[in-house]
Amino acid sequence: EDQVTQSPEALRLQEGESSSLNCSYTVSGLRGLFWYRQDPGKGPEFLFTLYSAGEEKEKERLKATLTKKESFLHITAPKPEDSATYLCAVQNFGNEKLTFGTGTRLTIIP
Amino acid sequence: NAGVTQTPKFQVLKTGQSMTLQCAQDMNHEYMSWYRQDPGMGLRLIHYSVGAGITDQGEVPNGYNVSRSTTEDFPLRLLSAAPSQTSVYFCASSLQGGRTEAFFGQGTRLTVV
Repeated sequence: EDQVTQSPEALRLQEGESSSLNCSYTVSGLRGLFWYRQDPGKGPEFLFTLYSAGEEKEKERLKATLTKKESFLHITAPKPEDSATYLCAVQNFGNEKLTFGTGTRLTIIP
Repeated sequence: NAGVTQTPKFQVLKTGQSMTLQCAQDMNHEYMSWYRQDPGMGLRLIHYSVGAGITDQGEVPNGYNVSRSTTEDFPLRLLSAAPSQTSVYFCASSLQGGRTEAFFGQGTRLTVV
C-alpha cells in the first residue's frame, strides 16, 4: 500500500526565513510525485510534478527536489502570501490514483 | 474558462437524507475523481472515472454512488447520509489520471446532523 508522510505538521517562519518541508513516501513503483498548495476554504492548486530521483523544479520562491525515498519543498525568503497548507501526493505505476499526505500548514509572519 | 465547478458550496443534511453533489469541468478532461478531506486524514479517494461510462471505486467508496454519462459531468450521490459523511468534498479532473496535474474544484462543505 502506498504511503505518504509529511513533516512537520505545522511550521511558523518569520518573513525572509528560509526552510524546507519534507515528504517521505513508500510506493512500489513511483510514476510521479506531486506538490500542491491549498489555501483555507479552497481546493488544492498544482505546483510541481517530479518523476525521477535527482530531479528539481523551481517556481518563484519554491524549489522541489526528489530522492528515492523523499521529496523536499524548499522555501527561500518566504513572504506572508506563501502561507498555506502544502500537500504532497504520489502516483504508483499501474493505477490512476493519487495518494496524498496530510499536509504541512505553513505560516509566514510579517 | 471555468475549470472545475462544484455545487453546492455548503450543505446541511439530516441523517438518512440523500443528495447529489454536482461536479462539472470544461477542459475536456477524461479523468475525474471525488475526494473527501477530513482533519488529520488528508485527501482520500472516493470514486474515480477514466472516461464517460467508466467508473471505479477508490479508497472509501461505501455510502456513495457515481455515474459518468458525459465527459463534462461527474456527480456524487450520497444514498442515506450519516454523520460520518460530514466532510469537505473535492472534485478533480485531469487529462490523463495521475500522470498529469489534477485541477480541483472549490469544494463542498457537507454537514450531516
